Amino acid sequence: NAGVTQTPKFRILKIGQSMTLQCAQDMNHNYMYWYRQDPGMGLKLIYYSVGAGITDKGEVPNGYNVSRSTTEDFPLRLELAAPSQTSVYFCASSSGLAHQETQYFGPGTRLLVL
Amino acid sequence: GQNIDQPTEMTATEGAIVQINCTYQTSGFNGLFWYQQHAGEAPTFLSYNVLDGLEEKGRFSSFLSRSKGYSYLLLKELQMKDSASYLCAVTDKLIFGTGTRLQVFP
Repeated sequence: NAGVTQTPKFRILKIGQSMTLQCAQDMNHNYMYWYRQDPGMGLKLIYYSVGAGITDKGEVPNGYNVSRSTTEDFPLRLELAAPSQTSVYFCASSSGLAHQETQYFGPGTRLLVL
Repeated sequence: GQNIDQPTEMTATEGAIVQINCTYQTSGFNGLFWYQQHAGEAPTFLSYNVLDGLEEKGRFSSFLSRSKGYSYLLLKELQMKDSASYLCAVTDKLIFGTGTRLQVFP
């Protein structure tokens, strides 16, 4: 099993550009999550999904969109990149109910918006 | 509101014991996670407490008091590789603390 994979590993965007951060898991987990982590800070939940076709907002959803068309994939879309979105983005997945199971994290995508 | 507090940094000596505290005030609570995160890497799971009391896993133990909104992570027989950030997180809203950066010196 590859676990949770994320692409790209690093990206530089200009203000106003858009991009999609890819996330895939091969553990057949129902729950998937997107977090951002600013330097020296904890993780902030952006969006999460409890299964294919179902997504919900987390703590900091503004400026982002997600979709979940399959169990395996959970892409994160930035439509109009802003410098405030410079961060490290982690995708995670878990099985079980109500966020009570261990989350497995991907290696992260480092995004710089200039 | 939602608030989780952890010390920003701690230092300790190889072979020693260190306790990392986490206090929380959240509108909902199912349980509390502890994750370890080495610099430049993704977080990895350490423990999950739902009930009050101490849970031990080898050199690491985690304690929870729901009535006090308090948890701690206890690391024994510290090794250099334990130098990392330690994040506590509260469910059901998946709120993470800012993390405690632990440096272990020889």
